[in-house]
Amino acid sequence: GQNIDQPTEMTATEGAIVQINCTYQTSGFNGLFWYQQHAGEAPTFLSYNVLDGLEEKGRFSSFLSRSKGYSYLLLKELQMKDSASYLCALADDKIIFGKGTRLHILP
Amino acid sequence: DVKVTQSSRYLVKRTGEKVFLECVQDMDHENMFWYRQDPGLGLRLIYFSYDVKMKEKGDIPEGYSVSREKKERFSLILESASTNQTSMYLCASGGAVTSGNEQFFGPGTRLTVL
Repeated sequence: GQNIDQPTEMTATEGAIVQINCTYQTSGFNGLFWYQQHAGEAPTFLSYNVLDGLEEKGRFSSFLSRSKGYSYLLLKELQMKDSASYLCALADDKIIFGKGTRLHILP
Repeated sequence: DVKVTQSSRYLVKRTGEKVFLECVQDMDHENMFWYRQDPGLGLRLIYFSYDVKMKEKGDIPEGYSVSREKKERFSLILESASTNQTSMYLCASGGAVTSGNEQFFGPGTRLTVL
């Protein structure tokens, strides 16, 4: 099975950088997703990593290391609107989500 | 603009009632999914479907069934609602998951079972 672990909550300051980690234990998967979910809203897609390494998309970057069973989402130049939950998810024939990390941004 | 719609935003039902949650997508996606989301437990997959009339159990199918008679519509059925099925239900659709296609989520239905 897949065991996906993320910190429950994190706090960071507006303008700063934050790294949200995701570790997993699985026998195999196709790729790893990151989704963002604002309170009371549906999740929206942020990134998908298949190969090891860093994928950069504007202020957001996602990293994957299959050998270490580890991914992270890096958010730069934090804005108040980045206050949300961030969900790590593994994809094989279906997508299995972690419990999410609630990120609080302080002014 | 891609769209996944769910029949209700809020629903209140009584224990033992049969409940239908409807989901419609307009993106011609083959894959559709039903999740429930609970505080501290995250998003959990109930059922999914890769094609019309096809269904696969997710991680927590007990107490639920699904129906996919048309490509654009995926229904979640609670045969006899119980209080532990009070939750936020999210429907999603997407292309092949194995190819990294993102899932598009509906706005969710908050179901309360009294």
